[in-house]
Amino acid sequence: EVQLLESGGGLVQPGGSLRLSCAASGFTFRNSAMTWVRQTSGKGLEWVSRIGDNGDVIAYAEFAKGRFTISRDNSKNTLYLQMNSLTAEDTAIYYCGRAISRGVTAPDSWGQGTLVTVSS
Amino acid sequence: DIVMTQTPLSLSVTPGQPASISCKSSQSLLHSDGKTHLYWYLQKPGQSPHLLIYEVSKRFSGVPDRFSGSGSGTYFTLKVSRVEAEDVGVYYCMQSLQFPLTFGGGTKVEIK
Repeated sequence: EVQLLESGGGLVQPGGSLRLSCAASGFTFRNSAMTWVRQTSGKGLEWVSRIGDNGDVIAYAEFAKGRFTISRDNSKNTLYLQMNSLTAEDTAIYYCGRAISRGVTAPDSWGQGTLVTVSS
Repeated sequence: DIVMTQTPLSLSVTPGQPASISCKSSQSLLHSDGKTHLYWYLQKPGQSPHLLIYEVSKRFSGVPDRFSGSGSGTYFTLKVSRVEAEDVGVYYCMQSLQFPLTFGGGTKVEIK
């Protein structure tokens, strides 16, 4: 059974940083592209970023470019999202997802999410 | 960016009755690989979204056959042949043709 467990969320001040992690199990992580999606109360579901199975083919949403960095450690079956220069608009539940197939970013499995709150 | 527009915003359905949700994209979702990259997700209350339909009409593993997807180009439909109580939640369409991936605004389905 595919399992994705996000962690690292919390309360952070505007301008601060957070590093989210997503621990994967139940499938061959090194063979799967991965993605981050967030859910805000105002804008619904928003795609954030994706990374290929070996760390290539990286893409970001416009709002994430220059502030967020996606990475992965295939030896630890873990996906990361480093978020810097956070603003209130980044307040959201962040989900990691396994891409349905190579070359396609759409997730077929999602984690339970981790809440990020940006507030002073 | 590709804009995804879902209708209706909400739906109240009697158990056993059918339900239909529409999704329109601002441009064709047909890829040069011949696949159309339109997906449907359901987010049940208090849960993360889960995949129902991929590439317009293919049911994901474990999805009941009362769920079906259809459409082409820019116009797509999700149908539930006989709604059950467990089908309540918010349904989203999503395109994966190009970055950024974009979602519809969601359709909230409740039981009468």
